Amino acid sequence: DGGITQSPKYLFRKEGQNVTLSCEQNLNHDAMYWYRQDPGQGLRLIYYSQIVNDFQKGDIAEGYSVSREKKESFPLTVTSAQKNPTAFYLCASSIRRNQPQHFGDGTRLSIL
Amino acid sequence: EDKVVQSPLSLVVHEGDTVTLNCSYEVTNFRSLLWYKQEKKAPTFLFMLTSSGIEKKSGRLSSILDKKELSSILNITATQTGDSAIYLCAVDDTDKLIFGTGTRLQVFP
Repeated sequence: DGGITQSPKYLFRKEGQNVTLSCEQNLNHDAMYWYRQDPGQGLRLIYYSQIVNDFQKGDIAEGYSVSREKKESFPLTVTSAQKNPTAFYLCASSIRRNQPQHFGDGTRLSIL
Repeated sequence: EDKVVQSPLSLVVHEGDTVTLNCSYEVTNFRSLLWYKQEKKAPTFLFMLTSSGIEKKSGRLSSILDKKELSSILNITATQTGDSAIYLCAVDDTDKLIFGTGTRLQVFP
């Protein structure tokens, strides 16, 4: 079945540690996105990529980094510079920009 | 600053009731408005509305955009417990989606 797979479902980070969240899609979508969701807030865009080897910062990119070396993969690294990383992280993809986005099941990141 | 505002923040109803969820926006480069349903994890796509003003329907759910009022409503008739979820509204500003905070709907039997 086609879809978006995020892993792991739960992740714990120690102080000063970088962690990487995986996002893979087999929908042959060009565009991919990373969002952060905090309680009582809407989804906020971290980074997005409209094509392989290209990506742009969203509204809250500080403390995060991404890569888009393959069409199907868009990993997100939460660096130690992100001081409040505890949140629910959602990855999405769309066939191209301006088309409906489809979401993965998310990764919940917590601080140890 | 672009923003999307949803109301109410929370809604509690009984099965069989009809509900109306609201979404208003102030976005400089409006392209379309989208509704999503989020139960426990992944938001699932419901509707995409454009300036054409055409109402979209899917079963008991329907939605329409009022371009003049810069708003949209999502109607759910004959609600069921399975409709309990957070309903998210998002506006496409040609580069990205701008999300509202969502409306949490709880439907009790």
